[in-house]
Amino acid sequence: RKEVEQDPGPFNVPEGATVAFNCTYSNSASQSFFWYRQDCRKEPKLLMSVYSSGNEDGRFTAQLNRASQYISLLIRDSKLSDSATYLCVVNDMDSSYKLIFGSGTRLLVRP
Amino acid sequence: ETGVTQTPRHLVMGMTNKKSLKCEQHLGHNAMYWYKQSAKKPLELMFVYSLEERVENNSVPSRFSPECPNSSHLFLHLHTLQPEDSALYLCASSQDPGTEYNEQFFGPGTRLTVL
Repeated sequence: RKEVEQDPGPFNVPEGATVAFNCTYSNSASQSFFWYRQDCRKEPKLLMSVYSSGNEDGRFTAQLNRASQYISLLIRDSKLSDSATYLCVVNDMDSSYKLIFGSGTRLLVRP
Repeated sequence: ETGVTQTPRHLVMGMTNKKSLKCEQHLGHNAMYWYKQSAKKPLELMFVYSLEERVENNSVPSRFSPECPNSSHLFLHLHTLQPEDSALYLCASSQDPGTEYNEQFFGPGTRLTVL
């Protein structure tokens, strides 16, 4: 089983739609989680950090379910500019310097 | 955004060349990282420096040699690379390494092609 698993997508949604991505992680002791956004041929950019049960920032909501070992990212009122790959990231309990990256979920928002 | 800068942005080199990648962070962070991102693969951590001391070396071949002269600068020296080393090389920095609050910020990357 991969340490961090994501549905690769692509998720193809119309503008204004609500879309949710799930991410599962294997180490139940993991304490902190992050969502990064990566545009094509660009660097990952931190979107949101999750240290407790969840976090919300405008149209973006992250929720953590420790019992089931998954994190979700909900995007409301999708914009064309939301089109990107969303990376789920989990801290490595064996080395707190190390973050474990998922392969990403690709989102395409169409007009 | 100029928090973390990398040069060069693109590099094409032959297998016998020696080149270096440079990273500079302007965020006052304590740790710096090198990652490799190959097509359709997750980011792979290569090296971590915390307070200029190497704390992680993820079984990276010796043809990659990192150098961290101070907390703001990080280099990756390359020699006798293989075509499979072609990838996007990303530098990152963070304020609180070794803690759960390890938010990392990335530079734009160097896209490396080895012929």
